[in-house]
Amino acid sequence: DIQMTQSPSSLPASVGDRVNITCRASHGIAISLAWYQQKPGKAPKLLLSSASRLESGVPSRFSGGESGTDYTLTISGLQPEDFATYYCQQYYSIPRTFGQGTKVEIK
Amino acid sequence: QIQLVQSGAEVKNSGSSVKVSCKASGGTFSSYTIDWVRQAPGQGLEWMGRVIPGLGISNYAQRFQGRITITADRFTTTAYMELSSLRSEDTAVYYCAWGRGEGSPYWGQGTLVTVAS
Repeated sequence: DIQMTQSPSSLPASVGDRVNITCRASHGIAISLAWYQQKPGKAPKLLLSSASRLESGVPSRFSGGESGTDYTLTISGLQPEDFATYYCQQYYSIPRTFGQGTKVEIK
Repeated sequence: QIQLVQSGAEVKNSGSSVKVSCKASGGTFSSYTIDWVRQAPGQGLEWMGRVIPGLGISNYAQRFQGRITITADRFTTTAYMELSSLRSEDTAVYYCAWGRGEGSPYWGQGTLVTVAS
């Protein structure tokens, strides 16, 4: 199984901040990576796929990058509605493993 | 617009089984995949398995092998996830998610399964 190691687990931040969340894959996954946002009591929402492709309707302040087996989600100019938990997921192979999650919380 | 509507909350005894349904509408059911993901209270997301309705193929995470069955009925556009030999650690919200092989853009509302020990 491919392990996805996500960091940090918690990220205190303020409105307007630029924040970065990283996922490291235990094996190469050829940019087969999705990022999700989840708010309490709600289903996850797909933000990006193929590591950097923004889903329709997702604000452009969300972006994704890749360097080898490291993948990054960047939020440029954090908004109040962005305080949530974020997960990466690889879809390169079965099982489709998730990272452990990063909770972006108010500093 | 694809919509996924899941069956209601369940309370089960330890050792029993649960079957959760996921009714899809608004899209081409057979052409993609339905994944099942669970989330224990206060915990992260855990991928359990998937079905490809058009091919009748299911894949499962190793840790659930032997306990899980995921099926899909193309005629009623409904997917099912059955988990047996339930234990308290299986208490979680169970989600179905419609995928195209590049992440899942559509999710059900979630079904809370509570296992009473």
